[in-house]
Amino acid sequence: GAGVSQSPRYKVAKRGQDVALRCDPISGHVSLFWYQQALGQGPEFLTYFQNEAQLDKSGLPSDRFFAERPEGSVSTLKIQRTQQEDSAVYLCASSLGLNQPQHFGDGTRLSIL
Amino acid sequence: AQSVTQLGSHVSVSEGALVLLRCNYSSSVPPYLFWYVQYPNQGLQLLLKYTSAATLVKGINGFEAEFKKSETSFHLTKPSAHMSDAAEYFCAVSDEKLTFGTGTRLTIIP
Repeated sequence: GAGVSQSPRYKVAKRGQDVALRCDPISGHVSLFWYQQALGQGPEFLTYFQNEAQLDKSGLPSDRFFAERPEGSVSTLKIQRTQQEDSAVYLCASSLGLNQPQHFGDGTRLSIL
Repeated sequence: AQSVTQLGSHVSVSEGALVLLRCNYSSSVPPYLFWYVQYPNQGLQLLLKYTSAATLVKGINGFEAEFKKSETSFHLTKPSAHMSDAAEYFCAVSDEKLTFGTGTRLTIIP
C-alpha cells in the first residue's frame, strides 16, 4: 500500500552542479506529474507523463530541466547547471488517469548554494 | 485557461469554531475542482474533489465543500475546528494538470 515515493528528501548542491530527483509512483498509476513549489507559494506545474510518453512539458522553466519516464513507472527530473533560483521543493504526483485525483509524494527540497 | 483564486492568505479561527476557506474558479467548461491540505515538510493530501456528481462534496477529516456555479465558488468548510486542522490549504482546478491557488494558512487558536 505504498504511496508516491520521492528521493532524496533533501538535496544540497553547489551552483553549476547537475542534480537528479527520483519519483516512484503508485503502482498502476499511468499519469505522473512534476510540480515546483517555491517557499510560501502553491505548486506550479512542470511536466506530465502518460505512461512513458511526455505529453506536456510546457511548465519546464528552461532547457536545463529535463524529465524522463522510460518504462512508464519511475520518473527522474534532472536539472543541469543548477542556479540559485532552482531552489524549491519539487513534488511528484501520480494518478489513475486524466482529471483523476493526484496523489503526492513528500517532495524533494532542493537548495542551491 | 482555468484558474482558481483563494481569498485570504491567512485565516485564524478558535478551536471549535466554524472554518471557512474561500475559493473561486474561472473555467469555460465544467471544472474538476479539488481541495488539498499540506502539513509542514510534507506533500499534499487530497481532502475532497468535485466532479459534477453532486454539488455538496464531503471529504476527509470532517471537511466539505459546496460547488456553486452561479457564484463560481467552491468554498471549504468544517463545522468545528480542531487543533490538528492547522495547515496550508490549496484549492486547485484540473485540466489534465492541476492549477493551484496561492494557498490559505489556517491557524487554530486554543
